[in-house]
Amino acid sequence: QVHLEQSGPEVKKPGASVKLSCKASGYIFTNYAISWVRQAPGQGLEWMGWNSAYNGNTNYEQKFQDRVTMTTDTSTNTAYMDLRSLKSDDTAVYYCARQSFLVPSTLEYWGQGTVVTVSS
Amino acid sequence: IVLTQSPGTVSLSPGETATLSCRATQTISSSYLAWYQQKPGQTPRLLLYATSTRATGIPDRFSGSGSGADFTLTISRLEPEDSAVYYCQQYDSSPPTYTFGPGTKLEIK
Repeated sequence: QVHLEQSGPEVKKPGASVKLSCKASGYIFTNYAISWVRQAPGQGLEWMGWNSAYNGNTNYEQKFQDRVTMTTDTSTNTAYMDLRSLKSDDTAVYYCARQSFLVPSTLEYWGQGTVVTVSS
Repeated sequence: IVLTQSPGTVSLSPGETATLSCRATQTISSSYLAWYQQKPGQTPRLLLYATSTRATGIPDRFSGSGSGADFTLTISRLEPEDSAVYYCQQYDSSPPTYTFGPGTKLEIK
């Protein structure tokens, strides 16, 4: 079965960077893209970007364009999201998610989330 | 495209019917409109895709409708376990982009 295992919680100071991981199992990693979605405390879901595990293509939400990098390592079936110049309002749960096989326009499988806290 | 959802919060009793709205700032393909349920402390769960098709394991109490820029999620015969936040989501294919609405919180009294 499809499983996305995310890395553990992070605490960072403003201005720092954080790199999160998402290890996939139960499917052919290179057949699907991984999206990253975040959720600030008490807030809604915010899509950050998309990264193809097939060819490495990316598409980032405009507000993150300048400070996010999403990559995949096909040797370990792991996706990464690097967010730089952290601010306090980057405090959130960060999810990786995989599109559905039948309906690529939806995100059917989700990691458990990584809590990132940005505080001085 | 920006999605708005209404109401922000709705409180209903078991057995009643909830009608949740999702409105887009422009026409979107009904094939690319989905709904998710998120309970406290849990990850989002796909409910409906292509406006009205239920995902695997979703009971028929959940139904969807709409077209153009206006879409609706209807939950009939409400149960206490339906308490959650419901998000609509639309998709653009070129380039791949997912957009979520702000969510509607459904409380069961």
